Amino acid sequence: QSVLTQPPSASGTPGQRVTISCSGSSSNIGVNTVNWYQQLPGTAPKLLIYNTNQRPSGVPDRFSGSKSGTSASLAISGLQSEDEADYCCAAWDDSLKGYVFGTGTKVTVL
Amino acid sequence: EVQLVESGGGLVKPGGSLRLSCPASGFTFSSYCMHWVRQAPGEGLEWVSSISYYSTYIYYADSVKGRFTISRDDAKNSLYLTMNSLRDEDTAVYYCARSQGIGNYGMDVWGQGTTVTVSS
Repeated sequence: QSVLTQPPSASGTPGQRVTISCSGSSSNIGVNTVNWYQQLPGTAPKLLIYNTNQRPSGVPDRFSGSKSGTSASLAISGLQSEDEADYCCAAWDDSLKGYVFGTGTKVTVL
Repeated sequence: EVQLVESGGGLVKPGGSLRLSCPASGFTFSSYCMHWVRQAPGEGLEWVSSISYYSTYIYYADSVKGRFTISRDDAKNSLYLTMNSLRDEDTAVYYCARSQGIGNYGMDVWGQGTTVTVSS
């Protein structure tokens, strides 16, 4: 059961900036860091952002993450065709004592 | 090369059992926490279970608690998920993943997934 809410879709033209929101609560995003995963069609998820705003080695700097209160955001600047994928936020939930994932957002490059 | 390779998925009838395996290679398995995450057809990711190093801490999603058991064998560099009393809603691709800790840590390596289908 998803506890983090994301918009189902987002889109932009090449070069544009796209922002994806992730809404949680005081027991997850409000007190813990947020991770973002990218899932290309038919493949396993890939860690895109960890610790709310850190990029693993190899992830382009056009991807950035932020958090404010109980919400987080993923921004993709300079959108490229290869960015067309599903994006999902995740965080540890202190009340559930487990991870919660977002509902997922499909990004389309027009 | 750092790698996780899931196996053990298949078709099982409701009420049946399966054991998933996830052997690891290319890193010090015992130094990492491990997780199972599933994805039902056309749906998003759902966390299933996590196990810390030394198996000190184990957590389960409410949807599988009492039916699934996560375990690890550090000598064999392997993670397992024993699934009992399977239900239709357990049908999904099951991924194993690693992280440096449980909680505020991202899952930085994922396997390719193994498909579990529960159907009569």
